[in-house]
Parts: sequence; C-alpha cells; structure tokens
Amino acid sequence: NAGVTQTPKFRILKIGQSMTLQCTQDMNHNYMYWYRQDPGMGLKLIYYSVGAGITDKGEVPNGYNVSRSTTEDFPLRLELAAPSQTSVYFCASGKLATSYEQYFGPGTRLTVT
Amino acid sequence: AQTVTQSQPEMSVQEAETVTLSCTYDTSENNYYLFWYKQPPSRQMILVIRQEAYKQQNATENRFSVNFQKAAKSFSLKISDSQLGDTAMYFCAFMKHGSQGAQKLVFGQGTRLTINP
Repeated sequence: NAGVTQTPKFRILKIGQSMTLQCTQDMNHNYMYWYRQDPGMGLKLIYYSVGAGITDKGEVPNGYNVSRSTTEDFPLRLELAAPSQTSVYFCASGKLATSYEQYFGPGTRLTVT
Repeated sequence: AQTVTQSQPEMSVQEAETVTLSCTYDTSENNYYLFWYKQPPSRQMILVIRQEAYKQQNATENRFSVNFQKAAKSFSLKISDSQLGDTAMYFCAFMKHGSQGAQKLVFGQGTRLTINP
C-alpha cells in the first residue's frame, strides 16, 4: 500500500513553460486535493475533487487546471508557468467516512525561473 | 471566511521539557474539526492529533494533547517530555465543508519548533 505518490519530486521550469504534476493514491479514496506551500507559510488549497469527473476550485486556483478521470489519479496542470508559482505542491486524499483525515503525498518542489 | 492564526513563528525548548503551541481560529460554523500537523525537514505532512468540535473532552495521543476552548476559538497543542524527533514545523488546521461533501483544510502559518539536546 503506497498511499499517495507524487511525481516528479523536483522540477525547474522556465517562464512560460507548461507541465503536469502527477498524483496517484491506492487507498480508494473519493476525495483528492492539491495544495501549495510557499516558503515559510502554511498550505493553501488549489483544487479538489470529490470523485471521478468532479472537480472544484479552492483558494488559489488561478494558473492551474485539474482533471479526475479515475479514482486513483488527480493530475495538476500548470499552463504558462510564472515565478509566482514557485512553491512546494502537495497532493492529498481522504475518505469522508468517519475520520476526516487527509493523507498527504511527499510533495513536489517546483522552481520557475 | 475561516482563518487560522498561529502567533508563535518559532519556539525552542530543551529535550524532555513541555512546550505548548498556540492556535486561534475564526469560524461561524458549529460543527468542524481541528488538526495539528507536523512537517519535519523531510517535508512530509504528518497528522499529530485531531479534535472534533462537538466533543468537549480534549484529544490526547501519547505525549501530545490539546487544550480546546470552543468559545474562545482556541486550540493549543501541548507536547510533553519533548524529544529531538519532535523538531519540525507544526501547523494548526481547520477543516471546513466544501461543495458536495468535500472537507477542505485551512492552515495556519506554522510554528517552527526546535528541541535542543
């Protein structure tokens, strides 16, 4: 049981480039989330999904897109990368049920120069 | 809008001492959850403890306990017999309801805790 996995671990992008951050969970969780963590700050919610085919915006969605075609995968797409998107990105998943706990992946450190 | 405030950017204590991290939050909801997450240098987010707002009893997990004051909207974390491995960033988080049942976390700015030998 790998939990939540994210790829890549690190990435450097040039301004204007695009990329997709991958997130996969093997716990059959309905809910998946993308957060970003800027230096010295807490995490902020970018997008979330309540199930395959259903996504919604969080606090800071501008500059990002998501899709959820399967229960397991929740990729985050950056179009036209900007320096302001330099951050650490965390994917998380959760099962509504009883615990309300979210399980986090190890994060992707992205630098845009 | 819900906000979470951690007023202590950094704290430092000696090993085996007890330390308390502060957190206040603002919400108009009556039913919610509060969490403390630990983030060591590895960056992994680790759940430390969870509190349901409808429960009056404070949550405890081994050396970790909380002081939940609902009326004051305060949620502090106490670490007893602190260990070197407790060195990390600690984030207080509030869980609010999103659309279609999603549970969205709102995080504080974090407290950097250092345990000295």
